[in-house]
Amino acid sequence: LAKTTQPISMDSYEGQEVNITCSHNNIATNDYITWYQQFPSQGPRFIIQGYKTKVTNEVASLFIPADRKSSTLSLPRVSLSDTAVYYCLVGDRRDNNDMRFGAGTRLTVKP
Amino acid sequence: ETGVTQTPRHLVMGMTNKKSLKCEQHLGHNAMYWYKQSAKKPLELMFVYSLEERVENNSVPSRFSPECPNSSHLFLHLHTLQPEDSALYLCASSQGGLQAGNNEQFFGPGTRLTVL
Repeated sequence: LAKTTQPISMDSYEGQEVNITCSHNNIATNDYITWYQQFPSQGPRFIIQGYKTKVTNEVASLFIPADRKSSTLSLPRVSLSDTAVYYCLVGDRRDNNDMRFGAGTRLTVKP
Repeated sequence: ETGVTQTPRHLVMGMTNKKSLKCEQHLGHNAMYWYKQSAKKPLELMFVYSLEERVENNSVPSRFSPECPNSSHLFLHLHTLQPEDSALYLCASSQGGLQAGNNEQFFGPGTRLTVL
């Protein structure tokens, strides 16, 4: 069973900041939160991973509140090429079998 | 070649055919995965191999048979498939285990399978 809940779809416009929230009420102590991006007919690509507070890389930021029951992926100034499906995964990263993909959020960026 | 490669990229087969999908990773990883992605459905994890041993078979029908001869190669043998098995089959690898770091999965481009 997927451990996460995300909105099915979101729309945005070029240049805007996009925030996608993921709920994971039953997150375990050893679980990390990982986000992937998938373009049509391609495999998913790792974006960012975090455990608590805030993580930032060159692509995105990940905000995790203290209770860790949710997380927010923030994409700054999106472009048309950011149109994709974004997946939130929660699991023990030491266990190869623990991270499962859910339905994801289909983000559409409009001009 | 770098990353994760999959062959063939496209495959059309009849229900009585036998075919195999191949995956190769050039990243020195010790875990490999097969996923199935049907149209408008989430990614389904089919098989996980860690150090060449299968650790998970998510109730996949026996017409799908995986093989992992070494840590760099993964096969998916197909026989007597059904039209509903038509999908994108994705292979991934990761540096699993205690030294895994973020255990990021690297995906191949996939094989688009059509069963007639």
